[in-house]
Amino acid sequence: ETGVTQTPRHLVMGMTNKKSLKCEQHLGHNAMYWYKQSAKKPLELMFVYNFKEQTENNSVPSRFSPECPNSSHLFLHLHTLQPEDSALYLCASSQGTENQPQHFGDGTRLSIL
Amino acid sequence: GNSVTQMEGPVTLSEEAFLTINCTYTATGYPSLFWYVQYPGEGLQLLLKATKADDKGSNKGFEATYRKETTSFHLEKGSVQVSDSAVYFCEVISSGSARQLTFGSGTQLTVLP
Repeated sequence: ETGVTQTPRHLVMGMTNKKSLKCEQHLGHNAMYWYKQSAKKPLELMFVYNFKEQTENNSVPSRFSPECPNSSHLFLHLHTLQPEDSALYLCASSQGTENQPQHFGDGTRLSIL
Repeated sequence: GNSVTQMEGPVTLSEEAFLTINCTYTATGYPSLFWYVQYPGEGLQLLLKATKADDKGSNKGFEATYRKETTSFHLEKGSVQVSDSAVYFCEVISSGSARQLTFGSGTQLTVLP
């Protein structure tokens, strides 16, 4: 139990579907992150939220749309994805963003048909 | 920007062998350094950290020393176990106005009985 819960654990969707990934942290942290983990590639930081405000968007395509309604919840809304978007999507949280380690969820395995 | 160069895997060792996984980095200022471990089907878990030069992080028999002069943070363990089989990631976080979070590409370790 890491304190960061991601749902669903697995998701299969067509390229025209719209779906959302959910992340919830029970650690009292104020920063949350989305990462993309693909085989044979380094972890890619997608978005960072600090106190519900987006502080980083690392050139992520607009078909990925994050939402952070409060410091405990983070969503990643998906629409018209491409096959190359198939990956493990990891959510993490930390107590602030300055030199603090991140606590990760177990990820959502996304497959695009 | 920051960069992290991590020893390429996969690494295969026999039980009780000595482990070294190299990590070198480039970063501005005085970054904090982390090692994470990822077991199959799970997210990343913090293994150890060091926040200033010459600090030694340690946990579960693993150690790494923050070497500013060589910009390195090599992970070591004196006697590995089968249960240490996992993927290991080195991360560098630089703070301040040039804040960046950067992961290495990960090193797959397999320990054989």
